[in-house]
Amino acid sequence: NAGVTQTPKFRVLKTGQSMTLLCAQDMNHEYMYWYRQDPGMGLRLIHYSVGEGTTAKGEVPDGYNVSRLKKQNFLLGLESAAPSQTSVYFCASSRTGNYQPQHFGDGTRLSIL
Amino acid sequence: AQSVTQLDSQVPVFEEAPVELRCNYSSSVSVYLFWYVQYPNQGLQLLLKYLSGSTLVKGINGFEAEFNKSQTSFHLRKPSVHISDTAEYFCAVSEGSNTGKLIFGQGTTLQVKP
Repeated sequence: NAGVTQTPKFRVLKTGQSMTLLCAQDMNHEYMYWYRQDPGMGLRLIHYSVGEGTTAKGEVPDGYNVSRLKKQNFLLGLESAAPSQTSVYFCASSRTGNYQPQHFGDGTRLSIL
Repeated sequence: AQSVTQLDSQVPVFEEAPVELRCNYSSSVSVYLFWYVQYPNQGLQLLLKYLSGSTLVKGINGFEAEFNKSQTSFHLRKPSVHISDTAEYFCAVSEGSNTGKLIFGQGTTLQVKP
């Protein structure tokens, strides 16, 4: 039972490059989330999805795009990477919203040079 | 707007001593409250949650938290810590909308010393 799997685990990019982070869950969860974690700032929500084919903006969406074409996958894209996007990115999923706990992946460490 | 404040960024404590990690929140509506733990190089794991009912909530690994509505607090406690409890702890609040969105505090690093 893999839970939430994020790929890649580490990546170094140059400013202006693009990339896609993949999140896959095998728990048949409806809701999925992308967060970024920066020192002293906790986790901040980038984008989220309440079901296949839906996406919505979170607290810090600028510079990111997402897609949820399949229920089990949630993709996070950086079209033109900037040094300010250097961070650890976490994906999470939950059965539904409200009081359901979120299940997290192990994170992707992304450095933008 | 909702917010969560974890009052201590780092809490050093000796093994087998009690510990309290403090969390205050602000919200104008009913909330759900959570504590998550993050071990080094891992994702977050749910420790416990408050949804309604009894204000004392018990979680995994011997942790418990008390919801205090009048003080808008949700402090995490453990009577006797172990070296293995060394980790970062996050308090989070959900506004109760159907989006499930969480607002996290800044995190508290618990350092358990032998």
